[in-house]
Amino acid sequence: KNEVEQSPQNLTAQEGEFITINCSYSVGISALHWLQQHPGGGIVSLFMLSSGKKKHGRLIATINIQEKHSSLHITASHPRDSAVYICAVSGGGSARQLTFGSGTQLTVLP
Amino acid sequence: SQTIHQWPATLVQPVGSPLSLECTVEGTSNPNLYWYRQAAGRGLQLLFYSVGIGQISSEVPQNLSASRPQDRQFILSSKKLLLSDSGFYLCAWSDPGYTFGSGTRLTVV
Repeated sequence: KNEVEQSPQNLTAQEGEFITINCSYSVGISALHWLQQHPGGGIVSLFMLSSGKKKHGRLIATINIQEKHSSLHITASHPRDSAVYICAVSGGGSARQLTFGSGTQLTVLP
Repeated sequence: SQTIHQWPATLVQPVGSPLSLECTVEGTSNPNLYWYRQAAGRGLQLLFYSVGIGQISSEVPQNLSASRPQDRQFILSSKKLLLSDSGFYLCAWSDPGYTFGSGTRLTVV
């Protein structure tokens, strides 16, 4: 069993739809990260969470530490949101290395 | 501002040839530095991390090595590449949020 599980693996939505991507983890963590990877491969960090909820523009990330679960929401989705979204966790200690989920390929159709 | 530079962007190398990928960061001091790899059709995997100059930790046994000769410089090397070394290599730093380099797509032929 992977330490970080994401669902769904693939998601196709129509422009304007509300999107949710889920992430569950089985290990103790110091922080959870949501990353976005575009077709060229470059990765951008969207959020780093250790509790509660964060919002940036149309993106919202939540985490429930007790249930070991996080969600990434996209409101009013747009074709430019099409990308792979990756959940990753960092454990305790000073190294802060990441363990990654397998990613969710999101396609938003116009 | 804090930036990270990684080069080259793409690389095609024959089996058995050496490898050197370089990553430098600006705008921060004593960052944690990382090399990750994404093989075709697979997720990201940690290869090496460094919490300071000359300090390298390896996560996966392989024919790759890493060095940190300066605080803001992280180098990934191999003496002899294998076909299985093909993939997308990402340098990153953490302070504690993550910033990723633009990546190097390595094809071993």
